[in-house]
Amino acid sequence: AQSVTQLDSQVPVFEEAPVELRCNYSSSVSVYLFWYVQYPNQGLQLLLKYLSGSTLVKGINGFEAEFNKSQTSFHLRKPSVHISDTAEYFCAVSDLGNAGNMLTFGGGTRLMVKP
Amino acid sequence: IAGITQAPTSQILAAGRRMTLRCTQDMRHNAMYWYRQDLGLGLRLIHYSNTAGTTGKGEVPDGYSVSRANTDDFPLTLASAVPSQTSVYFCASSVIAGASGYEQFFGPGTRLTVL
Repeated sequence: AQSVTQLDSQVPVFEEAPVELRCNYSSSVSVYLFWYVQYPNQGLQLLLKYLSGSTLVKGINGFEAEFNKSQTSFHLRKPSVHISDTAEYFCAVSDLGNAGNMLTFGGGTRLMVKP
Repeated sequence: IAGITQAPTSQILAAGRRMTLRCTQDMRHNAMYWYRQDLGLGLRLIHYSNTAGTTGKGEVPDGYSVSRANTDDFPLTLASAVPSQTSVYFCASSVIAGASGYEQFFGPGTRLTVL
C-alpha cells in the first residue's frame, strides 16, 4: 500500500515571492509521481509528472518539482508566484506494479497568493 | 471539445433516495475512475474500470456501485444515499497501455448534498 502526505494544508505567500509545496510519499515499490492543480469550482488538471530520467521535472505555468528517492519526496516549486496561481494543489502517486494506473492522492495544499 | 462531462453539476438529495451520477468521455480512453473529494482528505478512489465490461473497487467503495457497458460511459449509483456521502464527486479517465504513469483527465465534478 502507498500513501502521500502533503505537509502543509495552507500556504500563504505574497505575489512574486517563491513558493515550495511539500509532498512525501511511502511505497514499497518504485513509483510515478504527479502534481495536479484545482482552480475554484473546477476539476483537476495535470501540472507535471515524474516517470523516469531526470529528477527535476518542469511543468506548466512555470512550476517544477524534484524527485528525491532517498527522502521519498516530490516537492513543487515556483520561483515567482502570481495571483492566478491561487488554487488547491494535489500530489499523487502511482506504483509501477499498478496495471490500473490508479492514483493515491495527498490531502491537498491550498496556495493563497496575496497582492 | 474532447473531454469528460458529468451530470448533474449539483444535487440535493434526501437520505434514502437512489441517485445516479453520470460520466461520459469522448477520448476513447480505456480506463475510467470515480473519486470523492472531501476537505483535508484529498481525492479518494471509489471504483474504477480498466476496460469496458470490467470494474473494480477502490479505497472507499461501500454504498456505491458502477457499471461499464461501453467505453464512453461510467455511471456511479448510490443505492440508498446517506449524509456521509455528501461530497464532490469527480470522474476521470486515462489510457492504459502496458505500464501505468499515464495522465488522468478529470471532469468538472458533481457536488452532492445528502440531507
